[in-house]
Amino acid sequence: DAGVTQSPTHLIKTRGQQVTLRCSPKSGHDTVSWYQQALGQGPQFIFQYYEEEERQRGNFPDRFSGHQYPNYSSELNVNALLLGDSALYLCASSFSGTGNEKLFFGSGTQLSVL
Amino acid sequence: KQEVTQIPAALSVPEGENLVLNCSFTDSAIYNLQWFRQDPGKGLTSLLLIQSSQREQTSGRLNASLDKSSGRSTLYIAASQPGDSATYLCAVRDSGNTGKLIFGQGTTLQVKP
Repeated sequence: DAGVTQSPTHLIKTRGQQVTLRCSPKSGHDTVSWYQQALGQGPQFIFQYYEEEERQRGNFPDRFSGHQYPNYSSELNVNALLLGDSALYLCASSFSGTGNEKLFFGSGTQLSVL
Repeated sequence: KQEVTQIPAALSVPEGENLVLNCSFTDSAIYNLQWFRQDPGKGLTSLLLIQSSQREQTSGRLNASLDKSSGRSTLYIAASQPGDSATYLCAVRDSGNTGKLIFGQGTTLQVKP
């Protein structure tokens, strides 16, 4: 049973560019959340997707957008990259059937913006 | 606004010692609380999840407690080993079925042989 998979594992971009990160949820999970983790900090919630719609959003600008596909996989897009966007981006999946389900995290995508 | 704080930020202990990591949160209306382990540059591994109605959970050498009324949780690690060296994060899920987690900044643990 594959867990949460993210690609790519590492990415280097320059300021102003755009980036797309991908996530496949754990089998049986239908909800995907994205988090940003700056060095030395705890993860910060970006947004959550369920039934192909953004269900909740954290305090992130519109440069951050996402998508969920019918197979529950998800993408995180960041436009007009800033140096401060350099971070580990984590995807987490869960099942909507119960409210107390554990979140399972992927290994993350390390984004460096130069 | 929910805020989660973890103390201490870093901890170094000799192998074999029992230790306690602390987590506090400002709003007691939580759905559940989860403890995670994170190795450098890696993702998060869930260790224990405590439902809002529970007081503690145990898994092997790990025991997590929850006191909602005081806004506190502790993670107890028995007989620590060098392999326990990692960053430990606690996260609360606010009431509601949205899945949003609010994390503390973590405690970085080093267990010396």
